[in-house]
Amino acid sequence: SAVISQKPSRDICQRGTSLTIQCQVDSQVTMMFWYRQQPGQSLTLIATANQGSEATYESGFVIDKFPISRPNLTFSTLTVSNMSPEDSSIYLCSVETGDPLYGYTFGSGTRLTVV
Amino acid sequence: AQRVTQPEKLLSVFKGAPVELKCNYSYSGSPELFWYVQYSRQRLQLLLRHISRESIKGFTADLNKGETSFHLKKPFAQEEDSAMYYCALMYYGGSQGNLIFGKGTKLSVKP
Repeated sequence: SAVISQKPSRDICQRGTSLTIQCQVDSQVTMMFWYRQQPGQSLTLIATANQGSEATYESGFVIDKFPISRPNLTFSTLTVSNMSPEDSSIYLCSVETGDPLYGYTFGSGTRLTVV
Repeated sequence: AQRVTQPEKLLSVFKGAPVELKCNYSYSGSPELFWYVQYSRQRLQLLLRHISRESIKGFTADLNKGETSFHLKKPFAQEEDSAMYYCALMYYGGSQGNLIFGKGTKLSVKP
């Protein structure tokens, strides 16, 4: 199944700044998914990134706050803009493996702390 | 609206004891359900999905549509089973499938 390299693994950022998280997949995939897990809460889908088109955002998430790039079929970035302490979360990227037995695979996550 | 509920935040059992991690879902369509596991300091990984009906690491889960449940079971827990377990539901908006996760249950298996 697909292997995802996600970085950075963690970061501590000042409020008001932005952080870009990168996900690199070792195979070509059509869709990449970005999730957030806030402390004590479940994983929440932020947006779906298709190559060659604008990302599709879930309710409560907007492009100005979480711009996403998808320049090719193996790479995507998520930027958390103008950060506040409420953005402190784990951010995960995910892709569908294409194998009906194995579903989705996830990156190792980015633990973001905003101070 | 679709929802996944894992009622237990923490489940603690002794080695060799049976374990059942509960998951209930709410979805008007035909559900596609998964269990994911995250061991300490490792990435989230798929444990099993109801479609494949496989038994992974001794774990099984049966979809009960009447009770809208997908509980994860193992007859004899091992210490290495200690991890966070997430139940997830695939739902479809248009042609796109998305995953929604429960809050997770931390399983602690004591020696």
